[in-house]
Amino acid sequence: EVQLVESGGGLVQPGGSLRLSCAASGFTFSSYWMSWVRQAPGKGLEWVANIKQDGSEKYYVDSVKGRFTISRDNAKNSLYLQMNSLRAEDTAVYYCARAFVYPIVGASQEAFDIWGQGTMVTVSS
Amino acid sequence: AIQLTQSPSSLSASVGDRVTITCRASQGISSALAWYQQKPGKAPKLLIYDASSLESGVPSRFSGSGSGTDFTLTISSLQPEDFATYYCQQFNNYPHSLTFGGGTKVEIK
Repeated sequence: EVQLVESGGGLVQPGGSLRLSCAASGFTFSSYWMSWVRQAPGKGLEWVANIKQDGSEKYYVDSVKGRFTISRDNAKNSLYLQMNSLRAEDTAVYYCARAFVYPIVGASQEAFDIWGQGTMVTVSS
Repeated sequence: AIQLTQSPSSLSASVGDRVTITCRASQGISSALAWYQQKPGKAPKLLIYDASSLESGVPSRFSGSGSGTDFTLTISSLQPEDFATYYCQQFNNYPHSLTFGGGTKVEIK
């Protein structure tokens, strides 16, 4: 079964750090771009970061640049998000997601086809 | 950064109704748009990719259309399990800035 399982969430004080993990199974993890997406309580979805198959390219939403670091370990089929200098506004459910590339005529198109169940991060004193 | 505006933000409909949700991009994104369904406490589920292609296993009552800046998600005959929140997401600048729309909550009338 194709699956993503996040872990590592919890309660942390403002300014603190947390490391999220996402364990992949049922597919060749090293063949896919992977992303983190978050959702603040009662709010919409926000893409946070993504990473290329070999880890050589990483991109972030502006609000987390310099504070969050996405990484992966293909030998362990795992994705990570190191979150430093956490703020109250980082409080959210964090999802990992797989970016699938769909072949279409003359091109290709991406979408997030597999999602984990999410892990809650609460930043509060 | 490309912004996506969904409308309406919420709607009430009855089982069997035809429902249309709109997603407008702040600049042209060709067909680089996906639609997701999210139920409370659950992860999003992919419905449509490439603006109009149905993801495997998704019921055919769901359809997507549009190109450039204006897109629609249509549910041809609303079913009880379709009451959820729907989001669009653009991939025009992939892998950069993969923005989502604000969401449309479909509620029972």
